[in-house]
Amino acid sequence: ETGVTQTPRHLVMGMTNKKSLKCEQHLGHNAMYWYKQSAKKPLELMFVYSLEERVENNSVPSRFSPECPNSSHLFLHLHTLQPEDSALYLCASSRLGLADSYNEQFFGPGTRLTVL
Amino acid sequence: KQEVTQIPAALSVPEGENLVLNCSFTDSAIYNLQWFRQDPGKGLTSLLLIQSSQREQTSGRLNASLDKSSGRSTLYIAASQPGDSATYLCAVRVGFQKLVFGTGTRLLVSP
Repeated sequence: ETGVTQTPRHLVMGMTNKKSLKCEQHLGHNAMYWYKQSAKKPLELMFVYSLEERVENNSVPSRFSPECPNSSHLFLHLHTLQPEDSALYLCASSRLGLADSYNEQFFGPGTRLTVL
Repeated sequence: KQEVTQIPAALSVPEGENLVLNCSFTDSAIYNLQWFRQDPGKGLTSLLLIQSSQREQTSGRLNASLDKSSGRSTLYIAASQPGDSATYLCAVRVGFQKLVFGTGTRLLVSP
């Protein structure tokens, strides 16, 4: 596969469940991102990983736990979520470089999460 | 705090029309501005990226302009087609790898 892939594409979970979202990029990028898209709200940046280190945590509750084991993979571990966490979760990747104003972000198709 | 606004929120046009989507941002200190397309229930597809030093970018029937000093960008779509129906998002890059998005313009092009 090429580009940015995400699995699963759809997920329904109860508030007591633990699940994980997976993102994989095949673009040779070295920065990866998690975004949340709720209905009628702008996309919100959740986490940024640069060279496998977390460089941004945008005030996200601890029930969301990211993991970046290498530059190609990114996970979002979920536990004890709330119904208001239901949203489309998007992963993105980009290059890092000296020309920092470039670094176009490429997005995956997203995981549609429903919390019951 | 950077805020991005897109007007109109929704737009419906007949096929063949030329149209303009607007994006405004409150803080002119941006690195670049990116226009995306999102189809229902799907991820984002990057359309155009304009560096802060540039005034416009073109790709096929799409032309995006940037006036950083006034905090505005427009996306011009020429000869619209039903396949252009989607939500169009603009995002400005502020700080390290951080994009701030608008809420989007939902476009419907009818045959």
